[in-house]
Amino acid sequence: DAGITQSPRHKVTETGTPVTLRCHQTENHRYMYWYRQDPGHGLRLIHYSYGVKDTDKGEVSDGYSVSRSKTEDFLLTLESATSSQTSVYFCAISARDRASYEQYFGPGTRLTVT
Amino acid sequence: AQSVTQPDIHITVSEGASLELRCNYSYGATPYLFWYVQSPGQGLQLLLKYFSGDTLVQGIKGFEAEFKRSQSSFNLRKPSVHWSDAAEYFCAVGVDNQGGKLIFGQGTELSVKP
Repeated sequence: DAGITQSPRHKVTETGTPVTLRCHQTENHRYMYWYRQDPGHGLRLIHYSYGVKDTDKGEVSDGYSVSRSKTEDFLLTLESATSSQTSVYFCAISARDRASYEQYFGPGTRLTVT
Repeated sequence: AQSVTQPDIHITVSEGASLELRCNYSYGATPYLFWYVQSPGQGLQLLLKYFSGDTLVQGIKGFEAEFKRSQSSFNLRKPSVHWSDAAEYFCAVGVDNQGGKLIFGQGTELSVKP
C-alpha cells in the first residue's frame, strides 16, 4: 500500500473558522491532489501540486487554498469554512513520480461545518 | 467540456449473478478511461484502465471493461459477483496534458444480496 495518511480523519467546525487538512506521503512523489466527495457528484478536484511550492487549481477551488513546503506534505486550507464545504476530503498521489491518472488515495477526512 | 455519466445510482445483484455497471463519457479526443472502487469508509482503489489498443481490458478482482467508441461507453463487468464486491464504483476520464486531472462520474453503489 502507498503510504498516504490524512489528518485529522474527522473534524467538526463552526462556520467562519479556518480549517487545515493535512496529507502526508512516504512515496516522495511530486504530484499530489486534493478532492472532495459529495453524494451525486462523485469526486471533484480542488487543487493539485506538481512539486514543492508548485500548485494549480482544479474544478472546485473557490474557498480553498493549498500549500506544499515539503515533498511529503500537502495542506488544504479552508480560510473561512462554510456549510457548503461539509464533505469528505480525499488526498491522492500519482502512482509514479510524474503526472499520472493512476492515483493512490488516502483514507479521507470527514469534515462537518455547522 | 469533458464529463462522465453513470446512469445507475444504486444497483442490487444476487451473489453469483453477473454484473454490468454503465459509464458514458463526453470527450473530444481518444479518452483515457478508468474504473475505481471505494469500499465503505475507505479511499479509492484503481480497478482497471484503458489507454489504447485492445478495447477489452482486464483488471483486478476479476473485473473487466469494454471501451466502445461508437457508444462513448466504458462499461464495467464481472461474470459472478461476490459479497465482498459490495462497494461504490466510479468511472473516470483523464484530461489530456493537465497534470493527471481526472473527471469522475457520480458513482454507482453496488449492493450484493446473499
